[in-house]
Amino acid sequence: EPEVTQTPSHQVTQMGQEVILRCVPISNHLYFYWYRQILGQKVEFLVSFYNNEISEKSEIFDDQFSVERPDGSNFTLKIRSTKLEDSAMYFCASSAGRAGDTQYFGPGTRLTVL
Amino acid sequence: GESVGLHLPTLSVQEGDNSIINCAYSNSASDYFIWYKQESGKGPQFIIDIRSNMDKRQGQRVTVLLNKTVKHLSLQIAATQPGDSAVYFCAEKATGANNLFFGTGTRLTVIP
Repeated sequence: EPEVTQTPSHQVTQMGQEVILRCVPISNHLYFYWYRQILGQKVEFLVSFYNNEISEKSEIFDDQFSVERPDGSNFTLKIRSTKLEDSAMYFCASSAGRAGDTQYFGPGTRLTVL
Repeated sequence: GESVGLHLPTLSVQEGDNSIINCAYSNSASDYFIWYKQESGKGPQFIIDIRSNMDKRQGQRVTVLLNKTVKHLSLQIAATQPGDSAVYFCAEKATGANNLFFGTGTRLTVIP
């Protein structure tokens, strides 16, 4: 069964450093998403991406964040200058279409900012 | 300020019993609803979904009920098994939107 994969599973970084989280969405999917989950809290939407551009973003997704689809398979989330409060699980998701299509989630990357 | 984690509602059931997990959603413009299961250290796993033009949908051992009048969603799990122990989230999507808005979650513990 196709699945979303993410690397690394755990990333530890120093405050102020840049990190890139990587995702390989399901191969025939067209919409890609990033969500985050701070420990013990809800899953929160960050950004959605379609046709090589951002289609929606939340208030959390400020200028420190960027997304990219550098090739035909990868989808990345970059945090330019990490803050302590960026520590969270980051989940990538993908869906085949848009309106009401199920979003399938990857296993997540745990980001720890020291 | 100090970040405080959410206090998750919890549900404990005996193995073999039926479980009912409830969710109140907030947006009357939401037209699509999903239940996800999240095990410790893993990503949300799709269980079942329902569109706003339906009030009930059944899957394998699971049933989702939607009451749009009171903006309430429930997940029923039949013959609950130890492997069902997890946190269950409902998520809603508004018409025309891409993003999912997740609820707080309920921790289900199955007692063998």
